[in-house]
Amino acid sequence: DQQVKQNSPSLSVQEGRISILNCDYTNSMFDYFLWYKKYPAEGPTFLISISSIKDKNEDGRFTVFLNKSAKHLSLHIVPSQPGDSAVYFCAASAQVQGAQKLVFGQGTRLTINP
Amino acid sequence: DVKVTQSSRYLVKRTGEKVFLECVQDMDHENMFWYRQDPGLGLRLIYFSYDVKMKEKGDIPEGYSVSREKKERFSLILESASTNQTSMYLCASSLPGLAYNEQFFGPGTRLTVL
Repeated sequence: DQQVKQNSPSLSVQEGRISILNCDYTNSMFDYFLWYKKYPAEGPTFLISISSIKDKNEDGRFTVFLNKSAKHLSLHIVPSQPGDSAVYFCAASAQVQGAQKLVFGQGTRLTINP
Repeated sequence: DVKVTQSSRYLVKRTGEKVFLECVQDMDHENMFWYRQDPGLGLRLIYFSYDVKMKEKGDIPEGYSVSREKKERFSLILESASTNQTSMYLCASSLPGLAYNEQFFGPGTRLTVL
């Protein structure tokens, strides 16, 4: 069973516009939610996180929104830039033995068009 | 600059071979993780370690084992490689803690089992 789901495999957005990536989860016990970005031939890099007790976190052009009642989170990128073209993974975290165990979604490939 | 290195970028092995994937981090992190990434499935956790000689099963441990004899090194072992273990393998490390601590990823090893 997929505990974290990204239902859009791909998304295409015009440069300068807003990109919105969505993610749904099923387990209420997750304590953090986060987004990672991955370029081809590189490992994923951390983008932004949000605690389960908050509903919004902002870092520059990136904002993550959490709707706990709907078990849904989204990543907004404004304005979108060509360098944002990458695969974005949503993940949820649970504490196990002092380590944060991550459960990832399937990923969404974002393409920013000039 | 934080660094997670993986011993090989590409590896080709035959069915039934014993395969070792090595990961080294230079950040003095307690936690280390092994994931595999497959199209449409995202990243899935195989095993993680929260201290030297300590290990915990992830979500898909079958067919794999791990070894952590030193803090900086975490090895993934495929005892008898099979074609369904053809995948991209990613290693990560992080600090411990109750709050989310960023996992730093290596560049990945693309393993092909023939």
